[in-house]
Amino acid sequence: GAGVSQSPSNKVTEKGKDVELRCDPISGHTALYWYRQRLGQGLEFLIYFQGNSAPDKSGLPSDRFSAERTGESVSTLTIQRTQQEDSAVYLCASSLDRNIQYFGAGTRLSVL
Amino acid sequence: AQSVTQPDIHITVSEGASLELRCNYSYGATPYLFWYVQSPGQGLQLLLKYFSGDTLVQGIKGFEAEFKRSQSSFNLRKPSVHWSDAAEYFCAVGAKAGANNLFFGTGTRLTVIP
Repeated sequence: GAGVSQSPSNKVTEKGKDVELRCDPISGHTALYWYRQRLGQGLEFLIYFQGNSAPDKSGLPSDRFSAERTGESVSTLTIQRTQQEDSAVYLCASSLDRNIQYFGAGTRLSVL
Repeated sequence: AQSVTQPDIHITVSEGASLELRCNYSYGATPYLFWYVQSPGQGLQLLLKYFSGDTLVQGIKGFEAEFKRSQSSFNLRKPSVHWSDAAEYFCAVGAKAGANNLFFGTGTRLTVIP
């Protein structure tokens, strides 16, 4: 595709529900990253995929967060039993060579 | 550990005036350095990057940045700001190995007044 696509663009959920956020990277990009951007803060790294493998999960804040990638393409970030502190914009980026990352527009998650 | 500091949370400049956004980083070696811009409701767009070589790098939209190793800085500049430059600007540092995930500053919000 032309760029990194994320869906949904906005998600409102109730505390305790599970949510799935989707990222479609630029075609051919082998590296994929998830970041979280809380209001008024910079981006926090969550997880990195090289192909379908996730060699670095160090940024996942808790075991309620998980992610997978299939076909060296689409990735899904799942948050179980959402909490209000999970409210943020979740950004996905892809990269061909791990040097330059291209970002999607993000999913704004609001947990009520 | 890597870290990035953007000391200015919010800057207001007049259209046509010059601009400098500050960025200081902490890293054990020469890092990869980036400036991204984020407009409301948009993803981050890469303005420019520094990997090695010439310490003055040119980017898109008339922006430039200078890497100063002695000051651990990578300040972003533009000689004449346009109203369309109003946005949030993020400085980031990346490792040269491993995941190459980026470490971001907290951003500087730029307001441009007529």
